[in-house]
Amino acid sequence: SQQGEEDPQALSIQEGENATMNCSYKTSINNLQWYRQNSGRGLVHLILIRSNEREKHSGRLRVTLDTSKKSSSLLITASRAADTASYFCATGFATNKLIFGTGTLLAVQP
Amino acid sequence: DGGITQSPKYLFRKEGQNVTLSCEQNLNHDAMYWYRQDPGQGLRLIYYSQIVNDFQKGDIAEGYSVSREKKESFPLTVTSAQKNPTAFYLCASSTGAGSGVQPQHFGDGTRLSIL
Repeated sequence: SQQGEEDPQALSIQEGENATMNCSYKTSINNLQWYRQNSGRGLVHLILIRSNEREKHSGRLRVTLDTSKKSSSLLITASRAADTASYFCATGFATNKLIFGTGTLLAVQP
Repeated sequence: DGGITQSPKYLFRKEGQNVTLSCEQNLNHDAMYWYRQDPGQGLRLIYYSQIVNDFQKGDIAEGYSVSREKKESFPLTVTSAQKNPTAFYLCASSTGAGSGVQPQHFGDGTRLSIL
């Protein structure tokens, strides 16, 4: 079963623009993580936000978490062609398991 | 360089054949995971192991088997009972349980196809 649902499924923007992806989930979580996957490669961990945190930054990435709405967003500012990838949210539980969403495919046009 | 190595990168299975996918990590991580990824879908958990000589079924374990005899290694066997094995298989690892849920580190996957 998949806990997280990303929105939109696909997003196309121009270089320099900001990209926002959203993730909704169903049950209480320990934390929420975002990953990037380049075509044909494994996933790379981007950022982890704990259930008691509301916002976190890492370089050009900004993640928010609203536990009352069971949703999170990932903002990539000043996007680059190299940001083209699929982005997944994953919800974490005390069992050390992650449940991944279906992903957002981001295309950044040069 | 620390990381996870999956091999082979591409694998072909004949009807009725079992095949084994290799996953090795040198990150000294206690926990290891196997996921299956189908086109346009997210990752689904097949099996996971939080410590040597112990493993648990994930959401889609039927037709798969694993072993965890060494901390560094977590091979996945796709058996002939798995009727639709064509997919991209990803192995991951993380630090052990008991410290909250940790980020997972991934290998670059094995693409399995049916001949």
